[in-house]
Amino acid sequence: KAGVTQTPRYLIKTRGQQVTLSCSPISGHRSVSWYQQTPGQGLQFLFEYFSETQRNKGNFPGRFSGRQFSNSRSEMNVSTLELGDSALYLCASSLGPGTGSEQYFGPGTRLTVT
Amino acid sequence: QKEVEQDPGPLSVPEGAIVSLNCTYSNSAFQYFMWYRQYSRKGPELLMYTYSSGNKEDGRFTAQVDKSSKYISLFIRDSQPSDSATYLCAMSGGYSSASKIIFGSGTRLSIRP
Repeated sequence: KAGVTQTPRYLIKTRGQQVTLSCSPISGHRSVSWYQQTPGQGLQFLFEYFSETQRNKGNFPGRFSGRQFSNSRSEMNVSTLELGDSALYLCASSLGPGTGSEQYFGPGTRLTVT
Repeated sequence: QKEVEQDPGPLSVPEGAIVSLNCTYSNSAFQYFMWYRQYSRKGPELLMYTYSSGNKEDGRFTAQVDKSSKYISLFIRDSQPSDSATYLCAMSGGYSSASKIIFGSGTRLSIRP
């Protein structure tokens, strides 16, 4: 069974631009969560989607948004990029909603904002 | 105080040694406890997943949860150079819509051949 896939793997953007990252979950998984990982803050939860609905949201500004499609694929968008948004963005999928289900991570998208 | 505390290391041990990795936490609502392994420039890989207190063994890996002390451990027996990675503990309160997974900062482990 294929794992979680994320595209693109690497991205370089300029401050003020916007970016869209994509995540395809493991087949049969309906929940997708997004995380930001930086050396200083570690892994921080962004949001979780299940059945096209956002179930949970972390403490990030409104510039960070996401959505989920009917096939469970998910996208996250960051508008008006700031230098501090440079990070590894990770997507994780699980069978069901909430954190009682085992989550499997993708390889991440490394975003560099210059 | 962070909800989950994890010694960042680095921790360096010789090949074949038993490795002990630990996390402490403050939120007594946590019920699910996980350990992830993350190699450089890769996503975290789920190693162990346990519910509530007790031990769980999988090959060379043993996870222990002591909810009374709010302390979890991961033991690696017969450590190999391929075990060199960052190990992240994680925990959550469960299925409620408000529950989130909280990660430790990770411990960098190096196994010397």
